[in-house]
Amino acid sequence: AQSVTQPDIHITVSEGASLELRCNYSYGATPYLFWYVQSPGQGLQLLLKYFSGDTLVQGIKGFEAEFKRSQSSFNLRKPSVHWSDAAEYFCAVRNTGGFKTIFGAGTRLFVKA
Amino acid sequence: ETGVTQTPRHLVMGMTNKKSLKCEQHLGHNAMYWYKQSAKKPLELMFVYSLEERVENNSVPSRFSPECPNSSHLFLHLHTLQPEDSALYLCASSQEAAGGPETQYFGPGTRLLVL
Repeated sequence: AQSVTQPDIHITVSEGASLELRCNYSYGATPYLFWYVQSPGQGLQLLLKYFSGDTLVQGIKGFEAEFKRSQSSFNLRKPSVHWSDAAEYFCAVRNTGGFKTIFGAGTRLFVKA
Repeated sequence: ETGVTQTPRHLVMGMTNKKSLKCEQHLGHNAMYWYKQSAKKPLELMFVYSLEERVENNSVPSRFSPECPNSSHLFLHLHTLQPEDSALYLCASSQEAAGGPETQYFGPGTRLLVL
């Protein structure tokens, strides 16, 4: 069965510091992978997605993620965090033959001045 | 209006009430979704409609009843809910094509409290 694990429930980083949010997935084939962000009181917004090809994916707001098949990981990175990046981040995996998307439990990011 | 809208944004209801959540997408998409987001739990897919036909129904209790009258509108009818049904209910839409899954666009959600 598919599953997504985000090991960190919350992370605190200083503004201007680099960020890496971890995501591990379990899926039998190459999955479709996503990172979403949710600000308080808002729905989810797509940051980036990976379907195939280059394993380093660029997204919006300066985020990137790298797909590592050997580690079943799809970690999200940003070189310099801004206070406005404080939000909850969700990794998700979708099967290649249907509509079902499995979400991780989320990682809440706090940014300190 | 643009994107995906949901009404109401907040709803308080008793366990014997009947209410409906509404979702409308203005993106011309052909698939719509209902998700449940509870505190400290991953987002749970409830229902998926593709071309106005239900294609996913993830063991959701019958007290939740979806309706998709056309490709732009999706409803979630609620009756005799339980307190544990209190959550944020998110609607999403996407334009599905043969080439692979597309991005889901989410609405802001309806915050539901069942007393």
